[in-house]
Amino acid sequence: DADVTQTPRNRITKTGKRIMLECSQTKGHDRMYWYRQDPGLGLRLIYYSFDVKDINKGEISDGYSVSRQAQAKFSLSLESAIPNQTALYFCATSASSYNSPLHFGNGTRLTVT
Amino acid sequence: AQSVTQLDSQVPVFEEAPVELRCNYSSSVSVYLFWYVQYPNQGLQLLLKYLSGSTLVESINGFEAEFNKSQTSFHLRKPSVHISDTAEYFCAVTLSSNTGKLIFGQGTTLQVKP
Repeated sequence: DADVTQTPRNRITKTGKRIMLECSQTKGHDRMYWYRQDPGLGLRLIYYSFDVKDINKGEISDGYSVSRQAQAKFSLSLESAIPNQTALYFCATSASSYNSPLHFGNGTRLTVT
Repeated sequence: AQSVTQLDSQVPVFEEAPVELRCNYSSSVSVYLFWYVQYPNQGLQLLLKYLSGSTLVESINGFEAEFNKSQTSFHLRKPSVHISDTAEYFCAVTLSSNTGKLIFGQGTTLQVKP
């Protein structure tokens, strides 16, 4: 089983719909992150959480919200999806020390029509 | 604010040839540097990292990267590539003050041809 699991793997939705992407982890890490990947732009940080009560905006948080339901679960919501939110979304986790690598899920490919 | 620039979006190379993927960063404070690899339809995996000490770091599959502070670079090299190295490679930087935020470059697609 994957250490970082994202659901769904693929999603097609219409403009204006609310959608939630879910992430769960079995690594026991405190830190969790949401990134989006666009061709030619690399990965950009949307939100990150250092523990259940600590949630922070990343560089592109507008149009997104998150919920850290437990140490192991971190969900990303698009309240009203728009076409330029079409992208590949990654959840990642890390331990709390400064040199801990990120562990990524396999991604959710979201298409907004 | 720190930033990362990967100078090549695509690098085609023949099998068993050497390769260099270039990465430059911008930061006014000390940073930690990373290379991640993304195989098709997968998430990113850590390839290697520079935290401190020796400026040359190596991965288990033959890649190496050298931290050059004066040139603010962290180029990735491999003396002889394999077909299985075909993937997208991302350079990333984070501040040594442990903000926990990793900033990624745009990515370089390495295409190894037979």
